[in-house]
Amino acid sequence: AQSVTQPDIHITVSEGASLELRCNYSYGATPYLFWYVQSPGQGLQLLLKYFSGDTLVQGIKGFEAEFKRSQSSFNLRKPSVHWSDAAEYFCAVGASGGSYIPTFGRGTSLIVHP
Amino acid sequence: DVKVTQSSRYLVKRTGEKVFLECVQDMDHENMFWYRQDPGLGLRLIYFSYDVKMKEKGDIPEGYSVSREKKERFSLILESASTNQTSMYLCASRKSGGYNEAFFGQGTRLTVV
Repeated sequence: AQSVTQPDIHITVSEGASLELRCNYSYGATPYLFWYVQSPGQGLQLLLKYFSGDTLVQGIKGFEAEFKRSQSSFNLRKPSVHWSDAAEYFCAVGASGGSYIPTFGRGTSLIVHP
Repeated sequence: DVKVTQSSRYLVKRTGEKVFLECVQDMDHENMFWYRQDPGLGLRLIYFSYDVKMKEKGDIPEGYSVSREKKERFSLILESASTNQTSMYLCASRKSGGYNEAFFGQGTRLTVV
């Protein structure tokens, strides 16, 4: 069975600082990987996804993520955080092929200080 | 743009009531999901549907049922609401295919008193 671990429950950064949110997955083959963002009181919005090819993936709002098979990781990064990035971030993994069922991590809450 | 609409943003129901949460998507997606979101627990899958009239239990189906009579609509039913079902409920839809992402509704915040 697939699983996702987001080790950090909360991350606090200053506005303008760089950001890295960690995600580790467990799956036997090459997974489909996703990062979603959830603003307070809202549903989830896709930031980016990886399923093959270049292991560095660009997403919306200036985010990127890098797939590292050897570390079973898919960490999310942003070079300079804005106050509007404060939100909950979820990593998700899906089995390759067919009607996969996405499995979500428990989320990381990002707090941005001015 | 894909739109997933949940019928209510906020609901307050009494213990023992039968509760219906409705979800409609407008992009002809085959797959639909109901998740429950609680602080510190992330998203937990209640039920999903591969296609019309098809449903499968997720990780926490107890106390819930679902209905999918039409492709665009996926309903979550709490047969007899209990206080431990107070939560945020999220509906999602997805085009069939492993690399396709899920699109989420705004969520329904259900309080059972």
